[in-house]
Amino acid sequence: QSALTQPASVSGSPGQSITISCAGTRSDVGGYNLVSWYQQYPGKAPKLMIYEVTKRPSGVSNRFSGSMSGNTASLTISGLQAEDEADYYCSSYAGSNTLIFGGGTKLTVL
Amino acid sequence: EVQLVESGGGLAQPGGSLRLSCAASGFTFSSYEMNWVRQAPGKGLEWISHISGSGGRTYYADSVEGRFTISRDNAKNSLYLQMNSLRAEDTAVYYCARPPGTEYYGSWCASHIWGQGTKVTVSS
Repeated sequence: QSALTQPASVSGSPGQSITISCAGTRSDVGGYNLVSWYQQYPGKAPKLMIYEVTKRPSGVSNRFSGSMSGNTASLTISGLQAEDEADYYCSSYAGSNTLIFGGGTKLTVL
Repeated sequence: EVQLVESGGGLAQPGGSLRLSCAASGFTFSSYEMNWVRQAPGKGLEWISHISGSGGRTYYADSVEGRFTISRDNAKNSLYLQMNSLRAEDTAVYYCARPPGTEYYGSWCASHIWGQGTKVTVSS
């Protein structure tokens, strides 16, 4: 399976809202409500921010939200903060007991 | 404290083998499915394998199918990844990871608890 498509980079100013997209197909993103989003700082392990499209693990700020429309999932970060600057990855169940990730998006807080 | 600690990484020659371990603590290990995810230098994340709580069900990415074997020992709270026929493209940091919930439809598709990773370098 091909990787999910994410923008290489997005940026925003503190306090703004940004959205990162994750484009797939009916065979992965659009076929299942099993999209997750991860935040990763350089040299660190990823952190789960959203799973099953919209669910937030305990301890994750409610400034992070997930949604899906058709074959594209999205992660929205509202009230952007300097600490949100990181790489973000989406993943999705892709059928046949496989999981695929997006290529990652570098978020810059201006 | 819920924790995963990987070990076993290092330098291996092309065609060689390595066995990674992941020690779990702070939760009922046997109740959770587990995943291995890797990240090549400067690249994105790649899911490579999954195992059910009992160990009776395993899944693999095409890139490692037939070369890597995932297993677990619930009595020892440990997860393993046996890597054979290693290639240069297997060079990566390898993470073990646990889902946010116990086994239900699709639960394994998210990874909530992650280890710190263990680095594998395949080079002659």
